[in-house]
Amino acid sequence: GQNIDQPTEMTATEGAIVQINCTYQTSGFNGLFWYQQHAGEAPTFLSYNVLDGLEEKGRFSSFLSRSKGYSYLLLKELQMKDSASYLCAVVDSNYQLIWGAGTKLIIKP
Amino acid sequence: IAGITQAPTSQILAAGRRMTLRCTQDMRHNAMYWYRQDLGLGLRLIHYSNTAGTTGKGEVPDGYSVSRANTDDFPLTLASAVPSQTSVYFCASSDSGTSDRDEQFFGPGTRLTVL
Repeated sequence: GQNIDQPTEMTATEGAIVQINCTYQTSGFNGLFWYQQHAGEAPTFLSYNVLDGLEEKGRFSSFLSRSKGYSYLLLKELQMKDSASYLCAVVDSNYQLIWGAGTKLIIKP
Repeated sequence: IAGITQAPTSQILAAGRRMTLRCTQDMRHNAMYWYRQDLGLGLRLIHYSNTAGTTGKGEVPDGYSVSRANTDDFPLTLASAVPSQTSVYFCASSDSGTSDRDEQFFGPGTRLTVL
């Protein structure tokens, strides 16, 4: 079967750094997305990785290791507005997205 | 219209009733999708369409039907609603549907409660 695992919830302090992990087992791999979803809102795109390594975009970075079936999202200089759920999704062999349940990130002052 | 719109925003429905959720995009995207999102579960694909005139089944298609008469619209119909269909429904679209780096854009969602 296909499986995406993420921690259910994480807590971090404003100004700090947090890493959200995602492990996957899917039928094929054609890339991995990270989306952000604020409570009551739609998911919005954060990053896409298809090759191994780190992709940096401002305060957010995303890492991929295809051999380990592993990715992480790194958020630096945390702000209160970063309180949201972070969704990991893998593009499978049929080019469909397989979604993790999401990680709820709580930022404390 | 800018992006994707969904209607209604929320709805309370009696079990057994028929309901159509509407979705319209103005980005001329080829592919469109319907997902449901339930607490503790990831987004689950109900149906998709890679181009106007074609549709496909996702992970959880039972009890739902879709049509894609044109590029812009992708309605989702519940023929006879049941309480287990209580959920938040998201419509999404993407440029291709058949490539890897194919970012999906989401509508604001419809919160449906079936009693």
